[in-house]
Amino acid sequence: GAVVSQHPSWVICKSGTSVKIECRSLDFQATTMFWYRQFPKKSLMLMATSNEGSKATYEQGVEKDKFLINHASLTLSTLTVTSAHPEDSSFYICSAPSPGLTERSYFGPGTRLTVL
Amino acid sequence: EDQVTQSPEALRLQEGESSSLNCSYTVSGLRGLFWYRQDPGKGPEFLFTLYSAGEEKEKERLKATLTKKESFLHITAPKPEDSATYLCAVQAGSSNTGKLIFGQGTTLQVKP
Repeated sequence: GAVVSQHPSWVICKSGTSVKIECRSLDFQATTMFWYRQFPKKSLMLMATSNEGSKATYEQGVEKDKFLINHASLTLSTLTVTSAHPEDSSFYICSAPSPGLTERSYFGPGTRLTVL
Repeated sequence: EDQVTQSPEALRLQEGESSSLNCSYTVSGLRGLFWYRQDPGKGPEFLFTLYSAGEEKEKERLKATLTKKESFLHITAPKPEDSATYLCAVQAGSSNTGKLIFGQGTTLQVKP
């Protein structure tokens, strides 16, 4: 089946620094990818839709300048958390719709971000 | 506003004790309803997609059903390895990009 990878799987950074998270579709092309955020014991909250060749679409309440999304190619989307603060600490998960079946999405393994 | 609500929030079962998880939804035209399993510290793993009321799908000890207002995930004779958080999500008819709206999940613990 289709596989989506994320890198890194976990990262610890100091407050004020920026962190980049990569999401790759390994054996299929994805013109659209999604970025989610998940707090402990909570569900997935959609942050933004990453679109290859165009700007990302952000959900209401998500700061565009803080969470920079770049869909660099048909297999790679990146999420950069700029000037990270402790409240940005969370589990970030990306997903990509299955080729030909937009109703089914494959999820990455997630990236645990801890901001000190 | 599209919304998904799951119940119960947490469920503890003895091994072999069958039960059901509920997912109630309100959506402007259902394109699909999805069930995912998530283990701690990992991304969601796809289980089922249901498209229309009356549809049912099965996989091992799991069976998902769908009505016009809710979906059930039935777990028959669960084993400890079924312990996980089960997430329900919907895709609205207005979305053709794969955007999903998730419920808050049901955390299942099966004791041996």
